[in-house]
Amino acid sequence: EVQLVESGGDLVQPGGSLRLSCAASEFTFRGSWMTWVRQAPGKGLEWVASINQDGGVRHYVDSVKGRFTISRDNAKISLYLQMNDLRAEDTAVYYCAKLLGDVSTFDYWGQGTLVTVSS
Amino acid sequence: DIQLTQSPSFLSASVGDRVTITCRASQGISRYLAWYQQKPGKAPNLLIHTASTLQSGVPSRFSGSGSGTEFTLTVSSLQPEDFATYYCQQRNSYPITFGQGTRLEIK
Repeated sequence: EVQLVESGGDLVQPGGSLRLSCAASEFTFRGSWMTWVRQAPGKGLEWVASINQDGGVRHYVDSVKGRFTISRDNAKISLYLQMNDLRAEDTAVYYCAKLLGDVSTFDYWGQGTLVTVSS
Repeated sequence: DIQLTQSPSFLSASVGDRVTITCRASQGISRYLAWYQQKPGKAPNLLIHTASTLQSGVPSRFSGSGSGTEFTLTVSSLQPEDFATYYCQQRNSYPITFGQGTRLEIK
């Protein structure tokens, strides 16, 4: 069974930084594109970033470009999201998800980790 | 960016009803559309991808259709566990975008 477990969410002040992690298991992590999707409280889903199998290709939504960095460690079967210069509008539950093959459809999701940006 | 507009945003229905949710794209996306179900406090669950392909393990009462700019998700006979929020998502081009969601509630 595919399992994705996020961690690292916390309360952080505006302008602060946070690193989210997603521990994967039970599937060929090295062979999978991975992604982060977020959901602000009471709102819809927003795609944040995706990374290919070897980390050489990354895509970001415009609102996080230059502030967030998606990365992965295939030896540790883990996905990361480094978030800098955090803003109130970054407050959300952050989900990591696995892509279905090489297409940007998300077939397995973690349970999410909450990031709150507030003073 | 490709915008996805779902209608209705809210739907009230009864167990056994047939319901249809529509997703319209601001430009053509071929068949590169997926549907997800999300229950409160839970992660989304993939129902359908590539407009009409049922994801493994998803009941056959769910079906999808469409291409280009207009897509539909149909539930043929609502079950109690189907009351949730549904999202469409396009993968035609970056940035990947979702519809605003359709909340399906029990009448």
